[in-house]
Amino acid sequence: NAGVTQTPKFQVLKTGQSMTLQCAQDMNHNSMYWYRQDPGMGLRLIYYSASEGTTDKGEVPNGYNVSRLNKREFSLRLESAAPSQTSVYFCASSEIGLTYEQYFGPGTRLTVT
Amino acid sequence: TQLLEQSPQFLSIQEGENLTVYCNSSSVFSSLQWYRQEPGEGPVLLVTVVTGGEVKKLKRLTFQFGDARKDSSLHITAAQPGDTGLYLCAGEDRGSTLGRLYFGRGTQLTVWP
Repeated sequence: NAGVTQTPKFQVLKTGQSMTLQCAQDMNHNSMYWYRQDPGMGLRLIYYSASEGTTDKGEVPNGYNVSRLNKREFSLRLESAAPSQTSVYFCASSEIGLTYEQYFGPGTRLTVT
Repeated sequence: TQLLEQSPQFLSIQEGENLTVYCNSSSVFSSLQWYRQEPGEGPVLLVTVVTGGEVKKLKRLTFQFGDARKDSSLHITAAQPGDTGLYLCAGEDRGSTLGRLYFGRGTQLTVWP
């Protein structure tokens, strides 16, 4: 039982390049999330998917797109990377219950030069 | 808009000291969660408090949810170097979109031997 996995762990891009961050969970959770974490800013929600087939914008969606490929997988795409997108990206998943406890992946550290 | 304010932002103490971290908001939350994050890893859930006035203990950590469900505190007794990490509070608001958590900016705790 791996929980939430993310690939790649590290990535360096040049301004204008594109890439896709992959996320998968094996806990059969309905909801999945993408966050970015910058120093002193905590975790900011980029996009989320409450269930398979639905996606919604979070606080900072500009410059990103997402795809909920199936119940397990939720990818984040940067179409034209900018230095302001240098950050650590976390994927998380959760299940409907008494509370929405989230389970996080190990993160992807992205640098855009 | 930062719904949850955490204080202090940084805390550096000696082993054996006690400390309290605060998480405050003007909003009412359905539940309040506390996470700990270590360098290079994703946040890991410590505890969830649901009922106003609720107190939960996890070994030397005591978590309290305010009576009005707008604030929470984390108290650590006799801190140890292993407690070092970033502590994040997160509020769940089921009045808005189900499943979303609103994170504070975190408290970076360093415990010196």
